Amino acid sequence: GAGVSQSPRYKVAKRGQDVALRCDPISGHVSLFWYQQALGQGPEFLTYFQNEAQLDKSGLPSDRFFAERPEGSVSTLKIQRTQQEDSAVYLCASSLGYSLGDTGQPQHFGDGTRLSIL
Amino acid sequence: AQKITQTQPGMFVQEKEAVTLDCTYDTSDPSYGLFWYKQPSSGEMIFLIYQGSYDQQNATEGRYSLNFQKARKSANLVISASQLGDSAMYFCAMREGRGGSNYKLTFGKGTLLTVNP
Repeated sequence: GAGVSQSPRYKVAKRGQDVALRCDPISGHVSLFWYQQALGQGPEFLTYFQNEAQLDKSGLPSDRFFAERPEGSVSTLKIQRTQQEDSAVYLCASSLGYSLGDTGQPQHFGDGTRLSIL
Repeated sequence: AQKITQTQPGMFVQEKEAVTLDCTYDTSDPSYGLFWYKQPSSGEMIFLIYQGSYDQQNATEGRYSLNFQKARKSANLVISASQLGDSAMYFCAMREGRGGSNYKLTFGKGTLLTVNP
């Protein structure tokens, strides 16, 4: 497809269950990002990949959160032993290439996965 | 301190009128970029406009323009001739640095714009 694709669109899980969220970036985009957006807030950075390399995971809230992009394309965000505070929209974004010394490459976002933990 | 501040939780505008959404930022890095995104109720974040810290002129993209006042550290979004479809949440975001440090976005809390017919 032409844009960033995320699945599932909605996910409901019971507290303690593991969940996996998928992101399919725009074809050819080297950089991939995950953000968490709580209700009524702006997105907050979780982690960043350049191809298959996870270069920054400083935003992951705990060791229950794990992200991978094994072949440099599709990425999966996994949350183990989910808690109610994990309820949020998880946004994936991709951008064209490496940092080129300018700041202007926009990130293109998917529609997000709305995760609800009961 | 907040890196991005959007002081207007909500704004109302009449259809066909112009509206300004405020954004102030805080950074000590001389190289940075400022972005505005639109998020309709469907949830997708739509890129609108970009302004680089070294750009001499204010950015424009169709009905969107960015009023960039570097000394005041403000980057307000101006939407001209508002349309009903402009009703959405608007986020200001910043990316700091260049080279290897230049990647993640820091977002403000957003402004909910409602366009009235």
